This record gives sequence, C-alpha cells and structure tokens, in this order.
Amino acid sequence: NAGVMQNPRHLVRRRGQEARLRCSPMKGHSHVYWYRQLPEEGLKFMVYLQKENIIDESGMPKERFSAEFPKEGPSILRIQQVVRGDSAAYFCASSLVGRGNSPLHFGNGTRLTVT
Amino acid sequence: ELKVEQNPLFLSMQEGKNYTIYCNYSTTSDRLYWYRQDPGKSLESLFVLLSNGAVKQEGRLMASLDTKARLSTLHITAAVHDLSATYFCAVDIAGNQFYFGTGTSLTVIP
Repeated sequence: NAGVMQNPRHLVRRRGQEARLRCSPMKGHSHVYWYRQLPEEGLKFMVYLQKENIIDESGMPKERFSAEFPKEGPSILRIQQVVRGDSAAYFCASSLVGRGNSPLHFGNGTRLTVT
Repeated sequence: ELKVEQNPLFLSMQEGKNYTIYCNYSTTSDRLYWYRQDPGKSLESLFVLLSNGAVKQEGRLMASLDTKARLSTLHITAAVHDLSATYFCAVDIAGNQFYFGTGTSLTVIP
C-alpha cells in the first residue's frame, strides 16, 4: 500500500517562474494538508483540502500561492512568480478523516530551491 | 494564535543516558502527536495521545500527555545512536490544523 507520494523530490526554479508541487494521498484518504518547512524550523500549516474543496487556507500567503485537490488526480500546490524566500521543503500529508484518532501521514516532501 | 513550544531545541546526550523533551501548548487540546524526522527525510509518526493522562511507550521512548497543564513529555531511556533525529510534537485544534512545535534536534553521542 503506497504511502503519500509527492513529486518532484527536488525542484529548482529561477525567480519569477512558477512552481507546481504534486501530492497523491494514501489510498482511501480524502483529506490533504500542505505544510512548509524552512531550514532548522518546524512545519507551518498552509492549507487543508478535501476533494474539490478548500477547507482551511488560513496559513497560505494571500498572493502567488494556490492549492487544489480535484476530483481526479493529485493535489497541486502552485506558487507563481517564485521568490528566494519561497525556498523551503513543502510537505503534503493525508488522513482518512479530518479529525480523528489517527495521525497525519506525510510524504517525503518537495525541496524547492529558488535561484 | 496557538503556540507550541518545545524544549530543549537542541539536545546532545551520551549513549545510555536518560532525558526528557517537553512540549507546551497554549490552548485547549486533547490530541497530541509526536513525530520523528531524520535529516532530509519525511516525518514518521511515533505516538498519538488522545486524552489526559495518556501514556504510550515504544522501545526506549515514552510519551505522556497532561491536558490540564497543556504539557506533553517525550522521555528517552538509555539512549542509543539510532535515536538521533529531530522530534516534533503537534497539537490538533478543531481538526483542521495540526500545529507543530519548533522541534528538538537530538544527537546521541557514543
């Protein structure tokens, strides 16, 4: 049973380009979370989605960042016009239910480097 | 805004010694999670604590939760090198967000 799959593992973009990060949740999971981790720091919540719905995007920057989780296919975190400060590891996690007794299951992350 | 604070942030300990990592949080929650992260890797779930007084043990690690004090501890017994990693606690508020602590970077020295 495959876990949470993220791709790419590493992504290099020049300032001003777009970055697209993909996340396929664990089989049967319909709740997806995106987190950002800066070096030597903890994880910061960005957005929580269910299929075709954004439930909570309070951690997402108001500009340049967007997320979706379509009915078919992976969840996408999109960063437009990237800047150096966007360089970080972006982790996706999934869960079976939005609030329950099970932890989040994390993917291996996408490490974004903006040059 | 909820704050989740861990201490210490960095911990260097000798093999065979015992130590405790603390996780304090600033608002009511009855769900707390501990994760382990190895360098460059993802987060691995260690413990799920779901009620006041919950205690869970796995190998040399034991986690507890005191919801009244808003405190969780991760106790390490007779540390070994393989336990070197960064440990995060995370608090579940209202089901939508898991707030993570700043992490404790543990190095076990032979």
